[in-house]
Amino acid sequence: DVKVTQSSRYLVKRTGEKVFLECVQDMDHENMFWYRQDPGLGLRLIYFSYDVKMKEKGDIPEGYSVSREKKERFSLILESASTNQTSMYLCASRKGNQPQHFGDGTRLSIL
Amino acid sequence: AQKVTQAQTEISVVEKEDVTLDCVYETRDTTYYLFWYKQPPSGELVFLIRRNSFDEQNEISGRYSWNFQKSTSSFNFTITASQVVDSAVYFCALSDGNTGGFKTIFGAGTRLFVKA
Repeated sequence: DVKVTQSSRYLVKRTGEKVFLECVQDMDHENMFWYRQDPGLGLRLIYFSYDVKMKEKGDIPEGYSVSREKKERFSLILESASTNQTSMYLCASRKGNQPQHFGDGTRLSIL
Repeated sequence: AQKVTQAQTEISVVEKEDVTLDCVYETRDTTYYLFWYKQPPSGELVFLIRRNSFDEQNEISGRYSWNFQKSTSSFNFTITASQVVDSAVYFCALSDGNTGGFKTIFGAGTRLFVKA
């Protein structure tokens, strides 16, 4: 069974901090995704990656960057956290055009 | 532009009732995929079904059934004889098959409460 693991379930950071959210998948999937989930807005795509060191912007990339140094790991970086980045962050992975598998999510609060 | 609308924000039913979750989508593409995901309180989205735009056959899986109608751009989800364990947020989603489906558009979600 596919396992997508996000490093933290809950995280509290301060405005201006650099924040790293980590995601690891164990099924050799080439495609990985970062979403944020907000009430009334569903999931919105921040960035995705289709191969090691490859990345593409999603619909809301501003204020975020990503890193994919190894196939199994996809990191989301908040360069300078702001309060409007308080949200639930979801990582997903996928092989080819198969359905995505999601992690449990990280609930991030920026104070 | 692609869009997915789930007009029902919250639905509350009593156990054993049938419930239908509505999903209306917009796309200009002729090749696309539609999905339903379930998000229980634990937070992880669980894949339920994928439908491609060329397959309008309805699908039944146990107590779950899906009605895909291209004429009305709808992909509705029905739970028969609902149970408390069905309580969750349900998301309908759309992806463009022409670009490999990298960008998936999600609806806002419908929160379902099933009371014992």
